[in-house]
Amino acid sequence: DAGVIQSPRHEVTEMGQEVTLRCKPISGHNSLFWYRQTMMRGLELLIYFNNNVPIDDSGMPEDRFSAKMPNASFSTLKIQPSEPRDSAVYFCASSLLGSLGGYTFGSGTRLTVV
Amino acid sequence: EDQVTQSPEALRLQEGESSSLNCSYTVSGLRGLFWYRQDPGKGPEFLFTLYSAGEEKEKERLKATLTKKESFLHITAPKPEDSATYLCAVRVSGGSNYKLTFGKGTLLTVNP
Repeated sequence: DAGVIQSPRHEVTEMGQEVTLRCKPISGHNSLFWYRQTMMRGLELLIYFNNNVPIDDSGMPEDRFSAKMPNASFSTLKIQPSEPRDSAVYFCASSLLGSLGGYTFGSGTRLTVV
Repeated sequence: EDQVTQSPEALRLQEGESSSLNCSYTVSGLRGLFWYRQDPGKGPEFLFTLYSAGEEKEKERLKATLTKKESFLHITAPKPEDSATYLCAVRVSGGSNYKLTFGKGTLLTVNP
């Protein structure tokens, strides 16, 4: 099992540009989560999907952020336009719905907006 | 609002010096408390889930315990390879709520 795969690992972009982060969950997992991690705020949930359907997007900071899950094996998190305060590490995690165990996290995408 | 507070923020130990990390929580209905380990540049790695007060879980030098208000992660005779950030998280009851709310973590450094 290759685990949760995120790309790119690092992204440096200029303010105002569009950024797309990608995630491939573990095969068979039907819940997918996007988290953002900063020193100040720790790990914050942005949005999560069950069976490809968005369940809770209350953590999405504003309309500049959007997430999609077109099928069970792929999700994207898009920021348009990006701002310096979006700089953080973005993690994707997946799990089996109803499982009492924890999530499996990817290695994250470190985003720097200059 | 659900809150998870971890203490201390950072802890330095000598190899072999046992200690405990604390995770206190205020939630409407606990459906699980989770411990994760995070190494620099990597995603959190799942360690334990605890579901009810009095429950304990062990893995190598780590033991997690749970009360109605807090959880402890006990580290017995730590080694330098135990150095990492330890995160706790809670899942609360209610509907399709399946999300985890994390604390900010404790950065553990074990010196040889």
